[in-house]
Amino acid sequence: QVQLQESGPGLVKPSQTLSLICTVSGGSVSSGSYYWGWIRQPAGKGLEWIGRIYTSGSTNYNPSLKSRVTISVDTSKNQFSLKLRSVTAADTAMYYCARGIAADGMDVWGQGTTVTVSS
Amino acid sequence: QSVLTQPPSASGTPGQRVSISCSGSSSNIGSNYVYWYQQLPGTAPKLLIYRTNQRPSGVPDRFSGSKSGTSASLAISGLRSEDEADYYCATWDDSLSDLVFGGGTKLTAL
Repeated sequence: QVQLQESGPGLVKPSQTLSLICTVSGGSVSSGSYYWGWIRQPAGKGLEWIGRIYTSGSTNYNPSLKSRVTISVDTSKNQFSLKLRSVTAADTAMYYCARGIAADGMDVWGQGTTVTVSS
Repeated sequence: QSVLTQPPSASGTPGQRVSISCSGSSSNIGSNYVYWYQQLPGTAPKLLIYRTNQRPSGVPDRFSGSKSGTSASLAISGLRSEDEADYYCATWDDSLSDLVFGGGTKLTAL
């Protein structure tokens, strides 16, 4: 059974880069017709799509974040990562990683990691 | 505000049938599959419905999804106290080239 686990700094200073890693266990990040995505949720608010990367390497990003976001895969470590540049307090949120299958939705989620942007 | 519109709250008594709506447009719900996610308090979202009306294995058949035009609905029959959660609809938006979520509906079992 595939499991996902987010990791990374819980506190990031304004204007710096938020970097998170999602470690995949019980399966391979490079197999199948999957995509690997990031979603965030400010405290008490709704879900916001950040972007995804397919096993082919192609990516889709939220247009409102596209200029600041990079999602990549490290097959040697069975991980995928999120980098969000030039962060502000508005980027403070719970960040989730998830696995998706084509048109079948995101069926496996990590437990989430809280990131606070503050000096 | 969200591209997809959901009522902020819904409620029902145990055993009752409850429906949650999700309103969009021709560029999203009108032309793409709809997904529903359940988020229990303090936990990560869970896929409840995919491809508009399909249930992943393990999801009770009390949950069902449907779509008509540019609106979608999640129905929960035989409401239980453990169904108390936030429910989010989601779909792809062709105009935005973006996966969009509804604002979420908090379901309360009275």
